[in-house]
Amino acid sequence: DSGVTQTPKHLITATGQRVTLRCSPRSGDLSVYWYQQSLDQGLQFLIQYYNGEERAKGNILERFSAQQFPDLHSELNLSSLELGDSALYFCASSGDSSPLDEQFFGPGTRLTVL
Amino acid sequence: LAKTTQPISMDSYEGQEVNITCSHNNIATNDYITWYQQFPSQGPRFIIQGYKTKVTNEVASLFIPADRKSSTLSLPRVSLSDTAVYYCLVPNTNAGKSTFGDGTTLTVKP
Repeated sequence: DSGVTQTPKHLITATGQRVTLRCSPRSGDLSVYWYQQSLDQGLQFLIQYYNGEERAKGNILERFSAQQFPDLHSELNLSSLELGDSALYFCASSGDSSPLDEQFFGPGTRLTVL
Repeated sequence: LAKTTQPISMDSYEGQEVNITCSHNNIATNDYITWYQQFPSQGPRFIIQGYKTKVTNEVASLFIPADRKSSTLSLPRVSLSDTAVYYCLVPNTNAGKSTFGDGTTLTVKP
């Protein structure tokens, strides 16, 4: 158990819909990372927040957005969903903002878009 | 961002030493090399990190030659439970990004 929690574990929805994935980092960690893992694209870095502020951006689509709240939990919002958005979405946390810090990954949310 | 190249897959047998090599030709001076392990349907888990020469912990060793254009993750005496995907990544401290490559799928056979 990494100490990072993600909800929900599974999510099934239809194309065009909007969903919110939630992540609670390890106690004391200030950074939260979001990754997307689909079968054909491996693990893709989406975005990082550090202490409430956006720190780094990866291959995140405009239909996707994220935020980190004062209690440090984070949410990833996915809108206008497409079939290709079906994937495992991982959240990771680390103590500091540097990508050198060990990242602790949550169990993931499996999103299925029908 | 330093791009990494690893073999797509490797097979081994229980008890053998496994070496997985990663190429990162355009690694920057202040970049480190980090390895993660991922089991199916689980998030990746940190294994080891190094800058140069050799780093060893209770799980693995990491060998980095002087030019730092490649690195080798060494897993001593693997068991069936070491079957996983192993990712080499070079976190870019300037851009603040961590880019995982395609990883190496290691299959350990009895």
